[in-house]
Order: sequence, then structure tokens, then C-alpha cells
Amino acid sequence: DIQMTQSPSSLSASVGDRVTITCQASQDISNYLNWYQQKPGKAPKLLIYDASNLETGVPSRFSGSGSGTDFTFTISSLQPEDIATYYCQQYDNLPPLFTFGPGTKVDIK
Amino acid sequence: EVQLVQSGAEVKKPGESLKISCKGSGYSFTSYWIGWVRQMPGKGLEWMGIIYPGDSDTRYSPSFQGQVTISADKSISTAYLQWSSLKASDTAMYYCARPPKSWGQGTLVTVSS
Repeated sequence: DIQMTQSPSSLSASVGDRVTITCQASQDISNYLNWYQQKPGKAPKLLIYDASNLETGVPSRFSGSGSGTDFTFTISSLQPEDIATYYCQQYDNLPPLFTFGPGTKVDIK
Repeated sequence: EVQLVQSGAEVKKPGESLKISCKGSGYSFTSYWIGWVRQMPGKGLEWMGIIYPGDSDTRYSPSFQGQVTISADKSISTAYLQWSSLKASDTAMYYCARPPKSWGQGTLVTVSS
């Protein structure tokens, strides 16, 4: 089974700061990686798909990069509404298998 | 618009059975996989398994194989997650999802004596 790790597990940053989260897969997953945002009491929301593609309607301050085993998620200028937990998720299509990373909780300093 | 609407919160006792549902609309229900995700209180997201309603092909995450049953009734565009004997450790929020973008609102399952 593919294992996903994320770091850091939590972070605190100021409004306007650049925030970076890393996600690592235990084996090569090409670009089969999504990033989700989850706010308390809400379902996860897709932000980035296929490692670097911004989902429609998602602000451009969110971005993703990487391929193979190492991936990065960036918020270019942290806003108060970005307080949430962020998860990476790897997937296979045939058969469909999914694994989430453990999550990164983002707070405002 | 794709919508997944889940059944309401449940409170059950250990040993009881339970079946929760997820109704899809706004798309061809039989043409897309639907999965289930567990989120225990204060914890992260765990992928449980997935079903293709068109032919009922079902795949389980190893951690959940044998612990739950995923099914679907394509005549009413509804997927199900069921337990035959609940444990206190099944207390969690359960989400259905049509990967990668569409999610249900979640069903809170509380198991307590």
C-alpha cells in the first residue's frame, strides 16, 4: 500500500504570509495527487487536482507542484478564511484506490 | 449540478446494525464511482472503499475490508454503507464522495451504550 506523509502537522502564520505544506508518497505516484481544504464541521473541498491544476472557482493564491514522490502545496498570501486543515490525497484509477495524508492544520498567528 | 445528499445522524448501541445512505443527483449515477470516507472525532480523513453503481464492482481499503459493506441501488441512485454489529470505535462522521470533487454533507454516527 502507498503511504502518504505530510509536514508540518500544524503551522501558525500571519495574514499575508506565504505558507508551504509538503506531501510525500512512499512510491512514485506520478501526478496522481489532489489537495483538499477542510473547515470544521464541513466536508472537504477540492482545491488542486492532478498535483498542480487549480479547481474552478478556487482563488489563485492556492497552488500545487511536484510529481513522483514529492509534492508541495502553497498559499501565496494567507487570508483569515484559509484557516482549515489541508490534506493531500493520492489516487489510482484502475482499480480506484485513494489514500489521504494525515493533514496539516493551518492557524493564524 | 452534482449533489450527494446523505441520510441523517444516527445514535446506536454497540452490537446494533446500521445502514446509512447517499443519494446522487444531477449526473448519471451508474457512470461514476462513489466512495465512503471516515473521520473519527478530531482526526483525519480515512478512505474506506468505493463502488461502481453500474455493475456494483466494490473495492475496500484493507483497513475496512470485512468491517463494513458498501452497496448501491441504481434504481434510486443511492449508495449505502452498512455495519452488522457496531462498536463504540465506529463513532465518526462518514462522508460519501464522487471523487475527486463532489462530497455529501456527512452523516454523524454515534455508538454508545
